[in-house]
This record gives sequence, C-alpha cells and structure tokens, in this order.
Amino acid sequence: EPEVTQTPSHQVTQMGQEVILRCVPISNHLYFYWYRQILGQKVEFLVSFYNNEISEKSEIFDDQFSVERPDGSNFTLKIRSTKLEDSAMYFCASLDRGALATEAFFGQGTRLTVV
Amino acid sequence: AQTVTQSQPEMSVQEAETVTLSCTYDTSENNYYLFWYKQPPSRQMILVIRQEAYKQQNATENRFSVNFQKAAKSFSLKISDSQLGDTAMYFCAFMKGNNNDMRFGAGTRLTVKP
Repeated sequence: EPEVTQTPSHQVTQMGQEVILRCVPISNHLYFYWYRQILGQKVEFLVSFYNNEISEKSEIFDDQFSVERPDGSNFTLKIRSTKLEDSAMYFCASLDRGALATEAFFGQGTRLTVV
Repeated sequence: AQTVTQSQPEMSVQEAETVTLSCTYDTSENNYYLFWYKQPPSRQMILVIRQEAYKQQNATENRFSVNFQKAAKSFSLKISDSQLGDTAMYFCAFMKGNNNDMRFGAGTRLTVKP
C-alpha cells in the first residue's frame, strides 16, 4: 500500500539553526500539507501546496517557514531560524483530489526538538 | 474560517463496551467532508472513517460508525465492542469541498480499560 514517508524521524537542533524536514508524498497525489502538533496538543494546520505553489497558509506559517517541491517527488518544510517553541511533531500529508478521493494520508511525522 | 470542536478532552470505556466521541463544527459551506482520525502512541494519523456532507446515510466501518447531523453540525463517532487497541487520541476533522484545507479539532484521548 502506498504511503507518505517523512525523514528524519527525529531531529534535534540548536536554537537559531535552520532545519529542513523532508516528505515523500504518494506519487500520484496532487495536494500536499504540513501540520504541526505540539506534544499532547491539537494538530495545527501550517500550509497546503498545489501545482507548485502555496494554496493556503495559517498564521503560524510566518516568514521563517517555507515549503518547496524541489524535484517532483520530495516536499520539504524549511524553518530558517528555529525557536524553542518550534519544538513539535511535524506531519506531512498528501491527497489525491483528482480521483475524488477525500482522504489525506499522513506520514509518521518528524519530531523536532529545538534546544 | 471553519472551526472544529471536540468537547471531551479525555474519555474511558471498558473493553467490549460502546463509547461515543462528540464533534461539532461551524461552517457556512454546504459541500464538505468530515473525518475521524486515530492517533495511537506511534503518533501516525490513521483514517478511521469519513463522511461526505451530501450523503444522508451515516458512514460505517466495521465497529466504527458516525452520527452525522448536518443541521446541528454534529459528527459523533461511535465505537462498538471497544478493544484495547482502540486506545488512542481521536481527532475530528473538516475539509471544505472546494479546496483541500483540512482542519482538526483538539482531540479526545480515549482509554480502553481491560
């Protein structure tokens, strides 16, 4: 069964450093998302991406965040200058809207720890 | 903006019993989708069940069923014959039909007790 893959599973970084979280969505999917979940709390929408551009972003997704689909398969989330409050689980998801499938498939998440 | 409310932060149920998790949402849309996702300790989000708003019939997946009340904007999840493996966080989610932005409720932590 196809799945969304995220790497790394756990990333520890020093405050102020840049991190790139990587996701490989399901190959024929067209819509991609990043969500964030601070430990034990709600799942928060960050950004959605379609046709090589951001389609919607939340207030959390400020100038320190960016997304990219550099090679047609990977979908990355970059945090330019990490802050302690960026520590969270980051989930990537993909969805195939074209087939009227209305299920978003999630990756297993990347736990980001900023120290 | 759409909001999704889960009013039960934590619930517990005895194994083999039935439990209902509540979810309400706020939208002015007529075309949308609703989901329940399960997040076990492994933390991966797994789809449990989905409901298209244009369908009147409540969705059912084995032991999982929903009570979709469109006028009341309510979408509760019923788990029958609860199993220990059902212990997890359960998130209700809403997606508009004309875009693909999915928003989640705060979650309900369900514990199934032996």
